[in-house]
Amino acid sequence: GENVEQHPSTLSVQEGDSAVIKCTYSDSASNYFPWYKQELGKGPQLIIDIRSNVGEKKDQRIAVTLNKTAKHFSLHITETQPEDSAVYFCAASNIRVREYGNKLVFGAGTILRVKS
Amino acid sequence: ETGVTQSPTHLIKTRGQQVTLRCSSQSGHNTVSWYQQALGQGPQFIFQYYREEENGRGNFPPRFSGLQFPNYSSELNVNALELDDSALYLCASTGGQNTDTQYFGPGTRLTVL
Repeated sequence: GENVEQHPSTLSVQEGDSAVIKCTYSDSASNYFPWYKQELGKGPQLIIDIRSNVGEKKDQRIAVTLNKTAKHFSLHITETQPEDSAVYFCAASNIRVREYGNKLVFGAGTILRVKS
Repeated sequence: ETGVTQSPTHLIKTRGQQVTLRCSSQSGHNTVSWYQQALGQGPQFIFQYYREEENGRGNFPPRFSGLQFPNYSSELNVNALELDDSALYLCASTGGQNTDTQYFGPGTRLTVL
């Protein structure tokens, strides 16, 4: 089955700097890659996603890149702010295989701390 | 806020007991997925319900079972609770115009003593 590895496990940056989180996946059939932000005591909130027919996607300060050949994808946050501090999870899914359910396989998470 | 609600917020049970957790999906969403998130880990897929039928299951024993109702709300039932069942249980709903994205609720924190 699918396995997603995420690095680093913790990341500390100075306010205004950029943060990069990287994930690799094992199943070449995976075609949907969302990123979630989870704050203490809350459920994961989708921040951006990318599908396998796209190499890069950007939404204001957040961008995601996908390399299908290498089976890895990355989250880039520019001009970090203290409110970006949270746990970030990457995930992978094969959304074509409806009969198996659209299950998300998550990475272990990255604790991002933005120091002001 | 995603519009996905879960109850209760917190729950404390003892080993061997049974528990039922509830989830109301976002309006217009017909698919509900359940995940278990142990402390310090990513969520793990338990199962998914689509139009009241189980539509995929992760690597969880049969004592984890579920239901989906005609209004697409859902229940997760866990029998014979074990200490390792202590976790945050998340439900996520999917549907409407975007059938890929899963929107998560705030979760139910289950503690098994």
